[in-house]
Amino acid sequence: DQQVKQNSPSLSVQEGRISILNCDYTNSMFDYFLWYKKYPAEGPTFLISISSIKDKNEDGRFTVFLNKSAKHLSLHIVPSQPGDSAVYFCAASASNNDMRFGAGTRLTVKP
Amino acid sequence: EPEVTQTPSHQVTQMGQEVILRCVPISNHLYFYWYRQILGQKVEFLVSFYNNEISEKSEIFDDQFSVERPDGSNFTLKIRSTKLEDSAMYFCASRPGPNTGELFFGEGSRLTVL
Repeated sequence: DQQVKQNSPSLSVQEGRISILNCDYTNSMFDYFLWYKKYPAEGPTFLISISSIKDKNEDGRFTVFLNKSAKHLSLHIVPSQPGDSAVYFCAASASNNDMRFGAGTRLTVKP
Repeated sequence: EPEVTQTPSHQVTQMGQEVILRCVPISNHLYFYWYRQILGQKVEFLVSFYNNEISEKSEIFDDQFSVERPDGSNFTLKIRSTKLEDSAMYFCASRPGPNTGELFFGEGSRLTVL
């Protein structure tokens, strides 16, 4: 089941710079997209979401962009902070269907 | 802040043994889920549960798996005869409705099958 793909297993960024995490999906029925953040030994925690009627959603340092024609979304974190170091999962769902997750991207923000 | 709680945090079992993982979802939530994450791999959907029945399950969720909501608060995942490849972190999640935003996850139960 590869409906949601995160092709970069890891990303390293300098503190203060922008982090860009990418996600692609194949199911055109997906209409709601989310990013979760996961620290070791903890469950995923919700970060930010976007519905398919929008192409951008911003919450503080976090912005999610959705390109429906390309079936692509991205998470921008700016400025990046060392505390942002975690695994970031992209997730998607279709109406009344259940959420599917990507494989995750490990972000390391270096001081 | 309400949260999803899971027990045990870690269970070690012998291959072939039965395991029950327990979850207490957030009290006003109606949709319940189990996901698992094998070490270093993606978070995989196992099953969703609503109105006392399974609403969707993945190909991973075979006859060895079952879920139950035995009372008004607990939501359990049972693995009847564990295999080595069942070793993973199992995450319970809940949400108020089908399209009402994010899932709220518990901290996970680590299952180690020897």
